[in-house]
Amino acid sequence: GAGVSQSPSNKVTEKGKDVELRCDPISGHTALYWYRQRLGQGLEFLIYFQGNSAPDKSGLPSDRFSAERTGESVSTLTIQRTQQEDSAVYLCASSLDPGGATDTQYFGPGTRLTVL
Amino acid sequence: QKEVEQNSGPLSVPEGAIASLNCTYSDRVSQSFFWYRQYSGKSPELIMSIYSNGDKEDGRFTAQLNKASQYVSLLIRDSQPSDSATYLCAVIKGRRALTFGSGTRLQVQP
Repeated sequence: GAGVSQSPSNKVTEKGKDVELRCDPISGHTALYWYRQRLGQGLEFLIYFQGNSAPDKSGLPSDRFSAERTGESVSTLTIQRTQQEDSAVYLCASSLDPGGATDTQYFGPGTRLTVL
Repeated sequence: QKEVEQNSGPLSVPEGAIASLNCTYSDRVSQSFFWYRQYSGKSPELIMSIYSNGDKEDGRFTAQLNKASQYVSLLIRDSQPSDSATYLCAVIKGRRALTFGSGTRLQVQP
């Protein structure tokens, strides 16, 4: 496809369960980012991938959060033992030219996670 | 102090007027600056990017950057009701992840 895709679009889970969120970046984009947006708030950075390595994971809020990426393709964000405060929209973005002056990030539609 | 600050609004302008959205940032080493538009329930979409001091125009949109004052603005000319959305200012400073402001909600009144 032409843009960043994410799945599922919506996820409702019970407190304490694990969830996996998936992101397919734009083809050819080497950099991939995960952000979180709580209701009515701005976007918070979670983790950045360059290829399949993560040089910056400083935004992950706790060790319950982890992410991996296969090559320069799909990434999965995993949240273990979900808590109600994890409820948010999880947004993925990708960019073509990381570190360059034109490092424009394009966002996917997001996954809305609701933890009951 | 937040790294990127925006007035939350709402900023209300009549249709056809100029909407002026402002953003300040705290870190002088910030390199690249972006304006994203976010409709309710949707993901952010890029409106403008700017990297050097001065103005950059694209259609009805003009981004202005003043690095000495650590200030970025977005002007929307001939505002339309379809411009009603939250406008997010974002900066990159080396680590390549965007740091976002909390956004300004714009309402264009028909």
